[in-house]
Amino acid sequence: EAGVAQSPRYKIIEKRQSVAFWCNPISGHATLYWYQQILGQGPKLLIQFQNNGVVDDSQLPKDRFSAERLKGVDSTLKIQPAKLEDSAVYLCASTNRADYGYTFGSGTRLTVV
Amino acid sequence: GESVGLHLPTLSVQEGDNSIINCAYSNSASDYFIWYKQESGKGPQFIIDIRSNMDKRQGQRVTVLLNKTVKHLSLQIAATQPGDSAVYFCAEFPHTGNKLTFGGGTRVLVKP
Repeated sequence: EAGVAQSPRYKIIEKRQSVAFWCNPISGHATLYWYQQILGQGPKLLIQFQNNGVVDDSQLPKDRFSAERLKGVDSTLKIQPAKLEDSAVYLCASTNRADYGYTFGSGTRLTVV
Repeated sequence: GESVGLHLPTLSVQEGDNSIINCAYSNSASDYFIWYKQESGKGPQFIIDIRSNMDKRQGQRVTVLLNKTVKHLSLQIAATQPGDSAVYFCAEFPHTGNKLTFGGGTRVLVKP
C-alpha cells in the first residue's frame, strides 16, 4: 500500500509571498487532515476533510490559509501571504476510519525568511 | 497543553535497556490514545494504541499503560535499539469528536 504523498519536501520563501502544498492520501481514505508542526512541538490540526467537504477548520487561520479537496482525493493547502511564524512542517494525514490512527506523509518543511 | 517549546524533554538510554516515556493528557473524555514515533525528516508513525476500557496493551517490544485516574499514559520500549532513537508523541481522541490531539513530545536518544 502506497503511503501518503506530499510535495514539495522543502520550500523557502520570503515573507508576504504565497506558497502551496500538495497531498495525495492513501487510496480509498475518505478522511484527510492537514497538520502544522512547529519545531519542537506536536502537530496541530489545521483542517479536516471528509471526502470533498470540510469537517473542521476551526484552527485554520482563514485570513491567510486556505485548503481544498475538490474531487475528494488530492488536497492542496495554501498560505497567502506567508509570515515568519508560518515556518513549520506541514503534515498531511489520511484515514478510512475517523476513530483510528492516521497515516502521515513525510511533510513539507516551510521556511519563511 | 501541547507545547514544550524548542527544547524537548530528552531521555537518554543505553542500548539494550528498557525505556519508559510518559505523557499526561488533558481531556478526561478522551477514549482512545495512540503513541507515535517521529524520526528526523519523517511524519509521525503509528506505534501502538489503547482504548479507555483497557489499562495495558502490548505490542512487539512495546507496552502502553493507561491510568485514567490520573490521566497518564506511558510507553515502555523493551531492549531499546539504536533504531528507536526518535521523538515520541502521545495523542488522544475525545469520545465526542474525531480530532486527534497531540501532546508534547519526548526525544529518545539511544547510546551504543
